[in-house]
Amino acid sequence: DAKTTQPNSMESNEEEPVHLPCNHSTISGTDYIHWYRQLPSQGPEYVIHGLTSNVNNRMASLAIAEDRKSSTLILHRATLRDAAVYYCILSPMNRDDKIIFGKGTRLHILP
Amino acid sequence: ETGVTQTPRHLVMGMTNKKSLKCEQHLGHNAMYWYKQSAKKPLELMFVYNFKEQTENNSVPSRFSPECPNSSHLFLHLHTLQPEDSALYLCASSQEGAGGGFDTEAFFGQGTRLTVV
Repeated sequence: DAKTTQPNSMESNEEEPVHLPCNHSTISGTDYIHWYRQLPSQGPEYVIHGLTSNVNNRMASLAIAEDRKSSTLILHRATLRDAAVYYCILSPMNRDDKIIFGKGTRLHILP
Repeated sequence: ETGVTQTPRHLVMGMTNKKSLKCEQHLGHNAMYWYKQSAKKPLELMFVYNFKEQTENNSVPSRFSPECPNSSHLFLHLHTLQPEDSALYLCASSQEGAGGGFDTEAFFGQGTRLTVV
């Protein structure tokens, strides 16, 4: 079973910010939080990752709760090209664990 | 273009055929991965290679046989597949995998859409 929980789908208006939530209550101390997105007919694309502190890059921001049991991917100004399935995954450093993808959140952008 | 190239993009094969999927990256990465994505299902990790050594086999049936001759190339050899094996097969690479995880960002290819008839 996936170690993360995300809403099945979300909608947002174009040019508005989008906050995509993810719950990971069983996260361990060495798990990194990664976000990927998958556009139609393509492989997943890296968006951002973090461990404890909030992270920013040219694509998005990642806000991580203080207890690390949840995180939020923030797209500051959504465009139609941001319509995709967004996956929040935990990337373990423990050799006995593995990445498990969930079903992700399908983000619809309304023009 | 992600730097990870998969060929072929589409493949139709009979259940008695033998075929191979190829993945190539020239990003200088040392970890490579095979994933399977079936319709309406999450991505499933199949195999992980670190520095050409297989470090993860996620209970994959033996009709799927991976090969990693060097850090830049990864193959998935297919034989006597079943119709339920029809799926999108994705290859990914990262700088160095730690166990089953990505140490930093992973780059995915566009996948091979496999249909078993």
